[in-house]
Amino acid sequence: SQQGEEDPQALSIQEGENATMNCSYKTSINNLQWYRQNSGRGLVHLILIRSNEREKHSGRLRVTLDTSKKSSSLLITASRAADTASYFCATDAGLGDMRFGAGTRLTVKP
Amino acid sequence: DVKVTQSSRYLVKRTGEKVFLECVQDMDHENMFWYRQDPGLGLRLIYFSYDVKMKEKGDIPEGYSVSREKKERFSLILESASTNQTSMYLCASSKEKGLASYEQYFGPGTRLTVT
Repeated sequence: SQQGEEDPQALSIQEGENATMNCSYKTSINNLQWYRQNSGRGLVHLILIRSNEREKHSGRLRVTLDTSKKSSSLLITASRAADTASYFCATDAGLGDMRFGAGTRLTVKP
Repeated sequence: DVKVTQSSRYLVKRTGEKVFLECVQDMDHENMFWYRQDPGLGLRLIYFSYDVKMKEKGDIPEGYSVSREKKERFSLILESASTNQTSMYLCASSKEKGLASYEQYFGPGTRLTVT
């Protein structure tokens, strides 16, 4: 079954604005990962945050993790048209596999 | 760079046919995965493998089987294709560290249409 659920399902912003996507999950995890998928292609790994971490940065990406609320957020700052894609969170419960959510479709208008 | 390749980008098959989807990775990863992706449902795990000749069922294994005879190759088999198996199929691999997952590397996907 799906572990993560992203919110919102779709997000449309102007170039230069920040985009925030949220992910909620149900069971305890070892780590949580965010992936990007450009239209019709495979997923690309963006960032991994472990269960003992609260915040992580990578370039224009900022990820937070709140294990007490079983939630994570992905912030993309100063968005660009090239950031237009679907974004997925994936949770690892330590069973050797991961579970993905349904994704947030981000559109950045030039 | 890790490369995960899938045998076909697009595939059209008839109902009842046996379908083979091949996936090859070149980074000596222990773990390999097959997902299907459908609009509104995200990625759903079909099967995964953490070693040669080993396989584990994911969330939706019905109607599928897998084969991993070599470390670099993981095949998904649709024994008798049905129209509800029309979907995008994504293969992924990752290295192992105990039971904790590393990042997964995905292939470009195979869009299968069953008519």
